[in-house]
Amino acid sequence: DGGITQSPKYLFRKEGQNVTLSCEQNLNHDAMYWYRQDPGQGLRLIYYSQIVNDFQKGDIAEGYSVSREKKESFPLTVTSAQKNPTAFYLCASSIPGAGQTYEQYFGPGTRLTVT
Amino acid sequence: LAKTTQPISMDSYEGQEVNITCSHNNIATNDYITWYQQFPSQGPRFIIQGYKTKVTNEVASLFIPADRKSSTLSLPRVSLSDTAVYYCLVGDINTGRRALTFGSGTRLQVQP
Repeated sequence: DGGITQSPKYLFRKEGQNVTLSCEQNLNHDAMYWYRQDPGQGLRLIYYSQIVNDFQKGDIAEGYSVSREKKESFPLTVTSAQKNPTAFYLCASSIPGAGQTYEQYFGPGTRLTVT
Repeated sequence: LAKTTQPISMDSYEGQEVNITCSHNNIATNDYITWYQQFPSQGPRFIIQGYKTKVTNEVASLFIPADRKSSTLSLPRVSLSDTAVYYCLVGDINTGRRALTFGSGTRLQVQP
């Protein structure tokens, strides 16, 4: 079964701690993305990567970091510098194909609670 | 960056056709229009995508007028399971990043 996995589904951390969210895909997609969703809101782009060993900041990158050492994996670290880290985090992947198509495949999400 | 505007919420009954209209006045020439569906505590799911005129798949139809400044997602004969948030997006090609820009979406509530 091809798809995107995120782990864990729920994550609890104390304020001041860094935490890393996992995202793995076996779709052979080049591009991967991290989004954040707050209650009742749409998704906001944190970071994206179009190819291995390269990534770009999205709209709300402050307080987050990523790495892309393998095509299949795009972990997100929420650092202590992120002021409001409690949110629903979604990972996605896509094929940056010809034309301007924008189909993305999303994982099930990780709900992070920081207290 | 092409911004989209869509109704915050809509109500319908089972068996009815639902049309959700999205406005995107600043759509760029090469942009596609894409719709996603999201259930609570899940990732969004791609529904349909189009460039102009009409596109139909097994789930929905997408109507795009000639000026492409708006689009309408049509869901035929909705059921309770179609209760979800629906997002209209246009491609961001200005930075070449190909990442999606999500608004707040339209919350569709289907009642029995």
